[in-house]
Amino acid sequence: AQKITQTQPGMFVQEKEAVTLDCTYDTSDQSYGLFWYKQPSSGEMIFLIYQGSYDEQNATEGRYSLNFQKARKSANLVISASQLGDSAMYFCAMRDRNTGANSKLTFGKGITLSVRP
Amino acid sequence: EAQVTQNPRYLITVTGKKLTVTCSQNMNHEYMSWYRQDPGLGLRQIYYSMNVEVTDKGDVPEGYKVSRKEKRNFPLILESPSPNQTSLYFCASNLAGVYNEQFFGPGTRLTVL
Repeated sequence: AQKITQTQPGMFVQEKEAVTLDCTYDTSDQSYGLFWYKQPSSGEMIFLIYQGSYDEQNATEGRYSLNFQKARKSANLVISASQLGDSAMYFCAMRDRNTGANSKLTFGKGITLSVRP
Repeated sequence: EAQVTQNPRYLITVTGKKLTVTCSQNMNHEYMSWYRQDPGLGLRQIYYSMNVEVTDKGDVPEGYKVSRKEKRNFPLILESPSPNQTSLYFCASNLAGVYNEQFFGPGTRLTVL
């Protein structure tokens, strides 16, 4: 069965510094997608970045990058030059061909990030 | 603007009073889903739909109903709400396939007294 693990307790980072949010996953499928979402205190789910299992390069999107280590089954999110507006809950999620049939994303339990001025 | 909309955004109701949360997307996506989010549990899929008139259960379907009469709309129905259905609900849509991003609505905060 698919599983996403996010075990870091609440994370703190100083404004303008970089921070890494950890995510490990488990799947028996070779074809899968990994997604990161941001949930601010207002509650909406904001898509940040995506990595496909066959992508050879790590995904990047502005200040967000994904450190994808396939052999270790990890997909860590790196936020560079943190801003106060980055304070939020961050979710790692996965979909493989087993859950692709019902389109379900399997989510981790999330990590709370607080950016200090 | 490509988006998923949900209404209402906030709802307080009482046990047993039927309610419907509407969801609409303007991206012509085949797939639509409902999730609920509870503290410490992440997001769990309630129901999903692969296309018009095709729906199926997700991980936590008990106490919910859905319908998909038009491609853009996917309402969530609670026939007899109970306090354990107090939660944050998200509607989402996406194109078919493993690699496609799922677009989420703004969420509906439901409280059942």
